[in-house]
Amino acid sequence: DTAVSQTPKYLVTQMGNDKSIKCEQNLGHDTMYWYKQDSKKFLKIMFSYNNKELIINETVPNRFSPKSPDKAHLNLHINSLELGDSAVYFCASSQAPAGGSEAFFGQGTRLTVV
Amino acid sequence: GDSVTQMEGPVTLSEEAFLTINCTYTATGYPSLFWYVQYPGEGLQLLLKATKADDKGSNKGFEATYRKETTSFHLEKGSVQVSDSAVYFCALSDRGAGGGADGLTFGKGTHLIIQP
Repeated sequence: DTAVSQTPKYLVTQMGNDKSIKCEQNLGHDTMYWYKQDSKKFLKIMFSYNNKELIINETVPNRFSPKSPDKAHLNLHINSLELGDSAVYFCASSQAPAGGSEAFFGQGTRLTVV
Repeated sequence: GDSVTQMEGPVTLSEEAFLTINCTYTATGYPSLFWYVQYPGEGLQLLLKATKADDKGSNKGFEATYRKETTSFHLEKGSVQVSDSAVYFCALSDRGAGGGADGLTFGKGTHLIIQP
């Protein structure tokens, strides 16, 4: 069983479109995250979310919004896509909301904006 | 803020060579330290971790010791294999930090290439 799964694995779309990436975890974790990996492999956190609190990295444009229908899911919606949004997006989850716990990652979604 | 610095790659070694990938960190709280590995086309997998000073994490022949005095968490392996070729990320999770986005702070990654 896949612990953290995200779909789609690849996403190619045109500038200006709106798209979503889905993420589900079956680990029973309380906290989920979205990370962005750029072309140089640098990873940066975008959001962390548990049942109580959404924490947003202040550098993330408001075109990006996480949506959590329940504890096991954290989807990423992106409006008005731009060329610079092209990257690999990773969903992750961990047991604790703050520090100490390792995160479990999905396989990534490679987004290409053309 | 928190940060992680690791040696730039790519690092190219011959099979059975000794590996060291340096990692140093700055943190405002009491971080846990991690090494993650990313194989081509895959997500990140936890390789090892250490949660307090002087702890040693180990897995698959890799080791790293949490050195608070030097704020370091260097990754080592005595004899690398071709299958170890991947990108390695040092990361921290700061229990004591307040505010901002929780989660891991990553180094920029080190691409390791092992030649037969």
